[in-house]
Amino acid sequence: DAKTTQPTSMDCAEGRAANLPCNHSTISGNEYVYWYRQIHSQGPQYIIHGLKNNETNEMASLIITEDRKSSTLILPHATLRDTAVYYCIVRVAMGRGGSQGNLIFGKGTKLSVKP
Amino acid sequence: DSGVTQTPKHLITATGQRVTLRCSPRSGDLSVYWYQQSLDQGLQFLIQYYNGEERAKGNILERFSAQQFPDLHSELNLSSLELGDSALYFCASSVVTSGGPGTDTQYFGPGTRLTVL
Repeated sequence: DAKTTQPTSMDCAEGRAANLPCNHSTISGNEYVYWYRQIHSQGPQYIIHGLKNNETNEMASLIITEDRKSSTLILPHATLRDTAVYYCIVRVAMGRGGSQGNLIFGKGTKLSVKP
Repeated sequence: DSGVTQTPKHLITATGQRVTLRCSPRSGDLSVYWYQQSLDQGLQFLIQYYNGEERAKGNILERFSAQQFPDLHSELNLSSLELGDSALYFCASSVVTSGGPGTDTQYFGPGTRLTVL
């Protein structure tokens, strides 16, 4: 079972920031928070990941609370092309030699960006 | 474009048949993962290979098998197909080194849509 809880769906106006929350209250100290998205049956796309510090890349920002029990993915200026299902996943980073590191997907949040 | 390629894009076959799905990982990636996405089950992990060896198994049926070849491409074989095997099948790859979590981020291919009639 997925270790995260996300809202089923959210709407966002085009050009505004989209803030997608995720609860992971049982996260362990060595588990990272990863975000992927899937646009209409395409392959899931990696967005960002973090351990405890906030992270930013060209796609999004990830804000992780100090107790690490929840996080928020921020798309700063949402466009229509950001309409997708967003998955928040917690996992242990794989070690040397390719030890088990599969992703466990929940149902995610369906984000609809509207004009 | 993630750099992971999958063929074919679409596959239509009949119950009882056998098919092979192919995946080429990103250049330099040693690990390959297979996932199945059906309407009622969501994205589910099937199996992982690392440098030619099986590393982890998920919800993979006994009728399904996979292998990773010396050139690191992988094939997923599905046999005795049933209607319920109709799904999207995704392959993902990652580098997998000891250099930290950023080096094992999985990148997904575009998928193969399998329809069993």
